[in-house]
Amino acid sequence: KAGVTQTPRYLIKTRGQQVTLSCSPISGHRSVSWYQQTPGQGLQFLFEYFSETQRNKGNFPGRFSGRQFSNSRSEMNVSTLELGDSALYLCASSFDGRSNQPQHFGDGTRLSIL
Amino acid sequence: GESVGLHLPTLSVQEGDNSIINCAYSNSASDYFIWYKQESGKGPQFIIDIRSNMDKRQGQRVTVLLNKTVKHLSLQIAATQPGDSAVYFCAENISNYGGATNKLIFGTGTLLAVQP
Repeated sequence: KAGVTQTPRYLIKTRGQQVTLSCSPISGHRSVSWYQQTPGQGLQFLFEYFSETQRNKGNFPGRFSGRQFSNSRSEMNVSTLELGDSALYLCASSFDGRSNQPQHFGDGTRLSIL
Repeated sequence: GESVGLHLPTLSVQEGDNSIINCAYSNSASDYFIWYKQESGKGPQFIIDIRSNMDKRQGQRVTVLLNKTVKHLSLQIAATQPGDSAVYFCAENISNYGGATNKLIFGTGTLLAVQP
């Protein structure tokens, strides 16, 4: 069974631009969550999607948004990029998002802002 | 943010020794806990989980202990191998919507360095 796939693996953008990251969950998984990982703040929850609906959201500004498609694939978008948005963005999936299920992570997209 | 990453604590062990990695969690209402291993350039990899109605769970070479009284979680790795070298994170699940949620709060992580 293929794991969580994130594309692209690396991305370089400049301030003010916007970016879209993609995540394909494990086959059969319907819940997709996004996290930001930085050396200073560690791993922080961005949002979770289930059945094309955002079900939970972390403490990030509105520049961070996401969506989920009917096949459970998800994208996240960051607009008006800032230097502080440089991070590893991780996607995780689980079967239906119940709290007693482990989330399985992809290897992330490394976003660098110049 | 809800998770603050500061200096990454390091645990250095000799190959073959047992390792114990500790974690303090923050929310008394957390009902599910997971340990992840993250190697350089990769995403976190699931190791073992435990529900709040348990105090111990064993896997292959790993054991997780949960002490809800003091909000403490530990991961024990038996016969540590060089391939175990990585950063280890504990994560707590904050329940919402009657348990249908997937919001993990991560600890700061511990770097495990295995000396051959």
